[in-house]
This record gives sequence, structure tokens and C-alpha cells, in this order.
Amino acid sequence: KQEVTQIPAALSVPEGENLVLNCSFTDSAIYNLQWFRQDPGKGLTSLLLIQSSQREQTSGRLNASLDKSSGRSTLYIAASQPGDSATYLCAVTGAGSYQLTFGKGTKLSVIP
Amino acid sequence: GAVVSQHPSWVICKSGTSVKIECRSLDFQATTMFWYRQFPKQSLMLMATSNEGSKATYEQGVEKDKFLINHASLTLSTLTVTSAHPEDSSFYICSAPTSGNTIYFGEGSWLTVV
Repeated sequence: KQEVTQIPAALSVPEGENLVLNCSFTDSAIYNLQWFRQDPGKGLTSLLLIQSSQREQTSGRLNASLDKSSGRSTLYIAASQPGDSATYLCAVTGAGSYQLTFGKGTKLSVIP
Repeated sequence: GAVVSQHPSWVICKSGTSVKIECRSLDFQATTMFWYRQFPKQSLMLMATSNEGSKATYEQGVEKDKFLINHASLTLSTLTVTSAHPEDSSFYICSAPTSGNTIYFGEGSWLTVV
């Protein structure tokens, strides 16, 4: 059974810092990996999707990497802003499936 | 672009009553939709897979008689929490894949049972 772990569970940084969120998964037979943002009381916003054949994806200040063989992904946020404060979820999709397995998330607080 | 709409966003119901949550694909057809649940400080957990025109597939530990899923059309799946209790209070969210294998999520529904 796939398990997804996110470290740290919570992170607080001053505005302007670069930061890295970590995600690991136990079964490397994945179809893709996604990073989502969840704001309090809101749904999910998809940030980046990395196919299993890809190594990284970038969108603005966000860069996500994937090392499928080691079961790891990182989300790099450059020049953090208070508006980045949210919970960031990592999720993997198994091969041949649309079902996602989520981590518990990392709650990020960016202090002005 | 493709959008999945979920309604209601917030609902409060009395213990023992039933509540229905709708998940609609607005500009694409979804033969399959997924329902997830998230308890505070926990992961989003898959509850069931909703299949258009057939029975839903429930994950282990999810009571099919309590969480009724109906997928009567290619754009609508509903989740009904029957005889709701306070422990059913949670965040429920649906997702639907497009034919291009992109998965879209609804906005989620916060259920509070009092």
C-alpha cells in the first residue's frame, strides 16, 4: 500500500527566504506526483504536476523535483511571501489509476 | 477550462439527519469521480470511486450504507451522508479525471454535524 510522508509538518519562515518542502513515497511505481496548495476552509489548488518520466517542473517561484527511484520529491519556493502561507500537499497517482494518495501536508507560515 | 463544481461548500446538519453533497463536472464528461475525506490534521483519504451507471467502489473501512454514492449522469455524482453523527464532521472533496488524464478537484464541502 502506497504511503506518502511529508516533512516537516509545519514550517515558519521570514518573508523573502527560500524554502524546501519534502515528500517521500514508499512505492516507486507511480504515474505522476502532484503538489497542491490548500488554504484554510478552501479546496485544493493544483500547483505542479510531474509525470513519472520527468525530473522537475517549474511554475513561477515554484520548482518541484522528482526522484522516482528513491521515492522523493521536493517543492522549492523562492523568495517566499506572506501570501504563500498555506498547507502544501503532496500526492501520488499509481500507475493505471486516477486515485491519489496524499501526504498529511506541510503547513507553511511566511512571516512578514 | 475544465471545472469541477462541488456544492454545498459548507453545511451544518443535526445529528441523525442526512445530507447530500453534489459534484459536477461543468464542461467535460466524467465516467469516474472520486470522493475523499479529510479529518483535521490528517491526510485526504479516498473514500470511494463513483462510476457512472454502476455501483460505487468503496475503500476498506468506509460504510457503503452510510455514505451513499450515486453517479446517475456523466456530469454529476452525489454523496449522501445518512444518519449523520458528529464523528462524520469532516472535509469532503471530489475529483474527476478528464479524457486527457488531467484530474480536477471540486472546491470541497465542510460538513459539521451538531
